[in-house]
Amino acid sequence: EDQVTQSPEALRLQEGESSSLNCSYTVSGLRGLFWYRQDPGKGPEFLFTLYSAGEEKEKERLKATLTKKESFLHITAPKPEDSATYLCAVQPITSGTYKYIFGTGTRLKVLA
Amino acid sequence: NAGVTQTPKFRVLKTGQSMTLLCAQDMNHEYMYWYRQDPGMGLRLIHYSVGEGTTAKGEVPDGYNVSRLKKQNFLLGLESAAPSQTSVYFCASSYFGGLSNQPQHFGDGTRLSIL
Repeated sequence: EDQVTQSPEALRLQEGESSSLNCSYTVSGLRGLFWYRQDPGKGPEFLFTLYSAGEEKEKERLKATLTKKESFLHITAPKPEDSATYLCAVQPITSGTYKYIFGTGTRLKVLA
Repeated sequence: NAGVTQTPKFRVLKTGQSMTLLCAQDMNHEYMYWYRQDPGMGLRLIHYSVGEGTTAKGEVPDGYNVSRLKKQNFLLGLESAAPSQTSVYFCASSYFGGLSNQPQHFGDGTRLSIL
């Protein structure tokens, strides 16, 4: 069964304290892995797409990496404005192009 | 540049009432989706559409109907609302890239309470 698990559920960091969020997935084949940021009362906002193992993408303080079993979202020197819920989604290659499986997210709080 | 727009943003219904949630996108995307988001659960697909005039069931379709009469609009209907349908509903759209992977773009949600 295709599955996505994110950890930790919640994370509190001091401003400047770097850390990583994990997204573990089980699919028969991966078409793509997506990271989103969701602010309270808002919809998910697209951050990155990763296609194949070894790939990395960066945007400001965020860096996403991908292996055959998991993806990490590294947050370097976070600021309070990075506080949000980060969602991971996978698109299995054996399913139709409409299917995206979402994790339950990691709630990140960055303290000033 | 609005992206995906959902209306209404909030709504309270009584059990048994009906309503329609509206979604509009201005990105000329072929695919559109309706999800619900509940605490402790990932986004779950209700219905989706791969083009104008087509709709299909997702993971949790019971109690909902959809229509896509125009490419830019995707409507979600609740025929007889139940308390279990209290949730936040998100509409999303994506470009059809054939075998390639395409991200979804989301609206800001409709917060629906069924009393």
